[in-house]
Amino acid sequence: EDQVTQSPEALRLQEGESSSLNCSYTVSGLRGLFWYRQDPGKGPEFLFTLYSAGEEKEKERLKATLTKKESFLHITAPKPEDSATYLCAVGGANNLFFGTGTRLTVIP
Amino acid sequence: DGGITQSPKYLFRKEGQNVTLSCEQNLNHDAMYWYRQDPGQGLRLIYYSQIVNDFQKGDIAEGYSVSREKKESFPLTVTSAQKNPTAFYLCASSIMGRVEAFFGQGTRLTVV
Repeated sequence: EDQVTQSPEALRLQEGESSSLNCSYTVSGLRGLFWYRQDPGKGPEFLFTLYSAGEEKEKERLKATLTKKESFLHITAPKPEDSATYLCAVGGANNLFFGTGTRLTVIP
Repeated sequence: DGGITQSPKYLFRKEGQNVTLSCEQNLNHDAMYWYRQDPGQGLRLIYYSQIVNDFQKGDIAEGYSVSREKKESFPLTVTSAQKNPTAFYLCASSIMGRVEAFFGQGTRLTVV
């Protein structure tokens, strides 16, 4: 059965304190690993797609990496505006399977 | 601007009533999806459609119905058979052959 597990559930960081979020997965026929950002009461905002082990993508303070079993979202020198829930999803045959997310709070 | 528009943003329903959530996209995407989000759970797929006049059940389709009469529109009806309809509903779309999906801003449905 396809499964996506994100950790930690919640993370509090001081502004400037770098850290990483984890997404481990088991899926048959992976069609991409996706990261989204979701603000309270809003729809998920697409961040990255990774397709193969060893691939990396960067956007501002965020960097996503992929291995055969997991993905990491590295946050470098975060700012309060990076506070959000970060969702990981894996692509199946016809749709996405989502984890439950990591709620990130960055304290000024 | 291209995007996905969901309406209304908030919806209140009395028990026993059917309600319809609207989803319109102008991205020229072929595939459209409905997900449900509950606290502490990942997004769960309700229905998806890859072409006009065709749609498939997702993991939690019971108590829901959809139609796809136009490429741009994929409305979701929450029927009285749905036992726990209070949730945040998200519509998404993607290019044919790709599962990378883009989301609308959601509709929060509350049963009163």
